[in-house]
Amino acid sequence: LQLQESGPGLVKPSETLSLTCTVSGGSISSSSYYWGWIRQPPGKGLEWIGSIYYTGSTYYNPSLKSRVTISVDTSNNQFSLKLNSVTAADTAVYSCARDYDSSGSFYEWGQGTLVTVSS
Amino acid sequence: QSALTQPASVSGSPGQSITISCTGTSSDVGSHNLVSWYQQLPGRAPKLMIYEVSERRSGVSDRFSGSKSGNTAALTISGLQAEDEADYYCCSYAGGSTVIFGGGTKLTVL
Repeated sequence: LQLQESGPGLVKPSETLSLTCTVSGGSISSSSYYWGWIRQPPGKGLEWIGSIYYTGSTYYNPSLKSRVTISVDTSNNQFSLKLNSVTAADTAVYSCARDYDSSGSFYEWGQGTLVTVSS
Repeated sequence: QSALTQPASVSGSPGQSITISCTGTSSDVGSHNLVSWYQQLPGRAPKLMIYEVSERRSGVSDRFSGSKSGNTAALTISGLQAEDEADYYCCSYAGGSTVIFGGGTKLTVL
């Protein structure tokens, strides 16, 4: 199974960050697997943003919940992240990953993509 | 949702054993046997090493082991090797299908 993030590498402050994760080598509709977004600011630790099940059920980090939307497109084996009203503090490497049973066991990860928030 | 607490750094000499702690609360680490550990090499994606507190992922050296007592989980690496030098993160289920990561620990092999 492989995951690949795609989207703009530069976003202006106050705008919306949008990323897509394309899954290959397996079905995003597999039962028991959740699909998550995790970010890592430069030189800092990992932060879980949120996860989605193929049915569309979503779960978000309470600290980001008001700004985050995660959606799934089962026909294209993709899921997406939108983070609105971004600031420089949202500059990070954003990674998508597969989690078994929403347990925090992310077995497979994408390579990650750096998104910089700057005017 | 505050990050789980890990020491910023630990170090050890080749052949020695080290332990990295991960302290949470009764709402996350203490409530569920769903703690995982990740190894992150520079410039690389994190790699799942341990899941469900103490289960070693297939292919991971048996020098890596996990445990938990109360609200604190721990990762122990025995027979330390130079290749173990990396950042290590714990992660816990926190209820309601949410998860939380630790702040990370930098392991230096002297």
